[in-house]
Order: sequence, then structure tokens, then C-alpha cells
Amino acid sequence: DQQVKQNSPSLSVQEGRISILNCDYTNSMFDYFLWYKKYPAEGPTFLISISSIKDKNEDGRFTVFLNKSAKHLSLHIVPSQPGDSAVYFCAASGGDSWGKLQFGAGTQVVVTP
Amino acid sequence: GAVVSQHPSRVICKSGTSVKIECRSLDFQATTMFWYRQFPKQSLMLMATSNEGSKATYEQGVEKDKFLINHASLTLSTLTVTSAHPEDSSFYICSARSGGTGETQYFGPGTRLLVL
Repeated sequence: DQQVKQNSPSLSVQEGRISILNCDYTNSMFDYFLWYKKYPAEGPTFLISISSIKDKNEDGRFTVFLNKSAKHLSLHIVPSQPGDSAVYFCAASGGDSWGKLQFGAGTQVVVTP
Repeated sequence: GAVVSQHPSRVICKSGTSVKIECRSLDFQATTMFWYRQFPKQSLMLMATSNEGSKATYEQGVEKDKFLINHASLTLSTLTVTSAHPEDSSFYICSARSGGTGETQYFGPGTRLLVL
């Protein structure tokens, strides 16, 4: 049962423009959400997180938005850079999954010149 | 901060042998470490949760006798794949979490295992 879903397997964006990655979840007990970036044959790198008591968290070029009523979060990257080309994973924890992360399937981002 | 290392980064072994993978938290004490497995073009699958000084908790479908986990100290957890077979070939990744980092997990670089 996939509790965290990333429905877009890939995203292509032009350098300098905004990248918007989406993530939906089904478990209303989730209260902590994270985004990770992953290059091939490497471990995921933590990007940004958000607690359910907030609806927005910003760190440099990365902003995460959380819509609890819609069980939806998104990651905005602006401006997009070639080094941002990677797979981005959304993850969530809380409730029965407290302490464990449930991962989405990932979205491959390609930033073109 | 929050650096996690894994060793080895890549290992090739013969079928039937055992392979040990180390996961270390370099600049923080990890009360909990996690072991994941990733198949090509798929998401990370949690295999087990390792708490320092206690037995690991395995996810459903993961054989605890095949994937031995030891978390002997606050900075080291090991995963031993016993009697490895070709179907065990995969990318194994560990992560670590300390009380100070809340629920954020920091990942190691991964270990590519190829069983011939």
C-alpha cells in the first residue's frame, strides 16, 4: 500500500525557471515531511523538511508547501540549475510510521540549458 | 554536519559467501539507524530499523537470518548478507538519525552489491 505518491515520474525544466514537484499522501497521521535529492549510485541527500504545524518552509532556492486538507505537498526550486538534475524523493513519517520514512517513487528532474 | 559513511562502496562476491556492510555516523551519535534496499528505477525500501544496544526490527518480508544487523555503538551499524545469492544483488543504503535531528534521516552513499 503506497502511502506516499509522486505521480510524475519525470519533469523537464529550463535552466533559470521554476521546478515544481508534487507529492500526495494518504495517511492523515503523517506529521513530518521531507524532500531528498538523489544522484545515481549515491545515497539520498536531505534537502528540506516541514512539520504539519506549518504550511510553508523555505531554505534558499528550495521551498516546500504543505496542504494538509488536500494531503498534498510540493517542492519549488527556483531558479533551477543544471546541478539540480537528479531524482527527488518525497518522504513522510508519523502515526504508525513514526520514526520511519515512507518514500514516494521519485521524480526524475532534468534541467536543460 | 550529519555525515554518514558506508563501506564498502561496491562489492562483488561469489554466490554462497557472506558480505558485511558498515554504516557509520561521522559527526553525530545515531540512536537509530535504518537499512534500505533500492532496485533499479524504484524507490527505497526499508529493510530494518536498528537501535543501538537492542535487536533490529525487520520489515515484513525481510529475512532476519539472511540480513543480520548489528548496532554495537552509537556510531556504527553493520548489515551482513549471509549466504548471498544473485537475487540479493542490489543497492543497499543506510541512514542514521539522532535525537538532535528529530525525524530527519541522513543517508550514507550506498553500497552496490553484485553476487555472481
